[in-house]
Amino acid sequence: EPEVTQTPSHQVTQMGQEVILRCVPISNHLYFYWYRQILGQKVEFLVSFYNNEISEKSEIFDDQFSVERPDGSNFTLKIRSTKLEDSAMYFCASSLTGKEKLFFGSGTQLSVL
Amino acid sequence: GNSVTQMEGPVTLSEEAFLTINCTYTATGYPSLFWYVQYPGEGLQLLLKATKADDKGSNKGFEATYRKETTSFHLEKGSVQVSDSAVYFCALSTFGNEKLTFGTGTRLTIIP
Repeated sequence: EPEVTQTPSHQVTQMGQEVILRCVPISNHLYFYWYRQILGQKVEFLVSFYNNEISEKSEIFDDQFSVERPDGSNFTLKIRSTKLEDSAMYFCASSLTGKEKLFFGSGTQLSVL
Repeated sequence: GNSVTQMEGPVTLSEEAFLTINCTYTATGYPSLFWYVQYPGEGLQLLLKATKADDKGSNKGFEATYRKETTSFHLEKGSVQVSDSAVYFCALSTFGNEKLTFGTGTRLTIIP
């Protein structure tokens, strides 16, 4: 079965640094998402992306966050100036139509020191 | 707003035991309900879903029934296997929107 690929699996960074989390969605999918899970808490929606623009975002997704589909295969999440509270597991997901099920990647564990 | 409350874990059972993981929800409108599973080192995978009241989702021996009157979607399996060890997430979405609201997840460990 096709799968969503996320890299790296673990990322450690210093507070204030920029990080880019990378995702390769399933090739014919059109809808893309980022979720995150802070340790011990719920998986939270961050943003959805369709047709090269953000279709919805949560309150968490402030000006420090941005998403981009720089080419036909990658979907990235950038955090401009990381904070300690950004430490979490970040999941990328994609969907063919936005009405069908989501396919998730295995996540990137981000640790901000 | 929408929210999902899920049974606290971790849960440890012996092989062939009966499993129930409780899930209740609060939502505006009529949500679709899901169970996702995350096996070690893998992404979240859709296990089953139900889109309207009294629907039963089922897959791999797991079942969950959409109970509107109790706003619940409890996950059950009659006889668990070691390979069922994973983290299970209850989730909902509303108005056909694929933005999911998740519970905290329940870690299940099955002992041979």
